[in-house]
Amino acid sequence: QKEVEQNSGPLSVPEGAIASLNCTYSDRGSQSFFWYRQYSGKSPELIMSIYSNGDKEDGRFTAQLNKASQYVSLLIRDSQPSDSATYLCAVNPRVGDKIIFGKGTRLHILP
Amino acid sequence: EAGVVQSPRYKIIEKKQPVAFWCNPISGHNTLYWYLQNLGQGPELLIRYENEEAVDDSQLPKDRFSAERLKGVDSTLKIQPAELGDSAVYLCASSLGLAAGSYNEQFFGPGTRLTVL
Repeated sequence: QKEVEQNSGPLSVPEGAIASLNCTYSDRGSQSFFWYRQYSGKSPELIMSIYSNGDKEDGRFTAQLNKASQYVSLLIRDSQPSDSATYLCAVNPRVGDKIIFGKGTRLHILP
Repeated sequence: EAGVVQSPRYKIIEKKQPVAFWCNPISGHNTLYWYLQNLGQGPELLIRYENEEAVDDSQLPKDRFSAERLKGVDSTLKIQPAELGDSAVYLCASSLGLAAGSYNEQFFGPGTRLTVL
């Protein structure tokens, strides 16, 4: 059973601080990794994709991938109240395989 | 570029009634997905289409759920008859598909919130 694990939270972070969201996955051969943001009552929105070990930065967001440790994280710098949402980690084990979603981490940015 | 379109956005029905959801994917996206999402859970795949072909329907409860994508573009998902436990958000997503290889990013529509009374 391929699994994607996330802490459900809520994770509370002061405004302006760095929010760190973590995700582990069970299939060592997984190839593609995604972070989605989901506001309450809305559908998931893709915010980051990462495919290689290391860091990938996009604005205030940085995705980090460590395939040896089967670990992917999302850092949000200068957190804003508008970042308060549920963040879903998703993993694609193989080309042509289905994406597996974690249950999400609720993030709350404290004004 | 238009995103994934779904309708209706909300649906309230009584148990044992039929219901249908419609999805129009992003133009050029060969792969279409139907997901179910319960509160506090991640999306769970119901069925995945590559063009007209259903390539993964292992999680679709075939006794009451059916789906079609006749021309490889729009898709409909039907439940007949609906049960109380079917209350959830039904999400449609699309992607470029196998042609994108590993870079197969999925984009979601707004979803349909189904309430079965």
